[in-house]
Order: sequence, then C-alpha cells, then structure tokens
Amino acid sequence: GENVEQHPSTLSVQEGDSAVIKCTYSDSASNYFPWYKQELGKGPQLIIDIRSNVGEKKDQRIAVTLNKTAKHFSLHITETQPEDSAVYFCAATDGNAGGTSYGKLTFGQGTILTVHP
Amino acid sequence: ETGVTQTPRHLVMGMTNKKSLKCEQHLGHNAMYWYKQSAKKPLELMFVYSLEERVENNSVPSRFSPECPNSSHLFLHLHTLQPEDSALYLCASSLWTGLNEQFFGPGTRLTVL
Repeated sequence: GENVEQHPSTLSVQEGDSAVIKCTYSDSASNYFPWYKQELGKGPQLIIDIRSNVGEKKDQRIAVTLNKTAKHFSLHITETQPEDSAVYFCAATDGNAGGTSYGKLTFGQGTILTVHP
Repeated sequence: ETGVTQTPRHLVMGMTNKKSLKCEQHLGHNAMYWYKQSAKKPLELMFVYSLEERVENNSVPSRFSPECPNSSHLFLHLHTLQPEDSALYLCASSLWTGLNEQFFGPGTRLTVL
C-alpha cells in the first residue's frame, strides 16, 4: 500500500519568512496530492491540491510542487502570518485503486507550523 | 463551517459503556468517511461509505460499528472500548470517492476511562 512520509514534524518561522514542508510517497500510481490545514479544535481543511499532470500550482501565498519522478511533493508558504500557525498534512491517493472507483487517501504524519510575530 | 457537523464534540465513556457518534453533511455528497486521529500519528482511515454502501473497512476492531442510513448521515457505534481508543474521531464527506476533495467535520474528542 501507499506510504507517505512528511518532514519536518515541527517548523518555526518568523512572520514574513517562507515555510516549506516536504512529503514523499511510495506508490507510483498515486496521482492526487492534497494538502490540509488543521487549526486547534477544528477538522482538517483543504488548502491546495495538485494532480499528477501538473508540476506546480499556486494560490496566492501558497504553492505546491510535484516531482513524479522522485515521488515527492512540497508545500510552500510565502510571507507567513501568525494565522498560518496550524498543523499541516499532506496526503496521496491513486484515486481508483484496482479499478474499484475508490481511492484511499494516505496521510503524512503532520507538521506543526508556528509563525512568530 | 465546512458543511459537516459532528455530535457530540466531547465524549467520556467507561469501557463497558455503549455510545454513538453522529455525523451529518449538508453538501449533497455521496461518500462519507470515519477517520481516527491520535497524537503523533497520521490520520487513520476507518470506514468509507459510498451511496450508503460500505466500501472500505480498514481492519477496524468490531467494537467500532458504523452505520450509514442515508447519504447525509453517518454513525459510529461504540461498545466495550479500550483506553487506547481515546482519540479524535473525524467524519468527512466528498462528492464521490476517489479524486474528490474531502470535507472534514470538527471531530469528536473521545476519552475512554
């Protein structure tokens, strides 16, 4: 099955700096890679996702890059703000495991991001 | 507000109790999920329902029993749990299974004494 490794487990930055979180995956069939942000007392919320036919996607201060050859993808947050402080999860799925039309999302271990004012 | 609600938000139960967690989605989705989130571990998928049919049981002990009476409601029935079952239980829904965004509820924080 799929295995997703996420690093670092904790990340501390100053406001205005950039933050980068990296994930690797094991299943070359995976083709959908979402990133979730989880704030205290809330469930994870999708912030950006990328599919395997795209190498990079950007949404304002957030960008995700995908290297299918190396089987890794990264989240980039620029001009960080204190409200970016949260736990971030990467995930991967092949979307159609064995032709059953069901793809299981496998999550990374999470990164606790702290942005200091 | 993600359109997915969970009740109760907090639950404390003894090992001999029987309780149920409830999830409701107001998004018109056809797939619903239960996840377990423990400290320092990745989210663990427990069950997946598609059009009220269970399509995934991720080797979950039988003391956890899911129920999906319709595409808007999902329950997790709990009985004779163990202290190691204490965790945050998250419900999610998506339009369909596969490459669709999953919307998560706020979770139920469960403590088993």
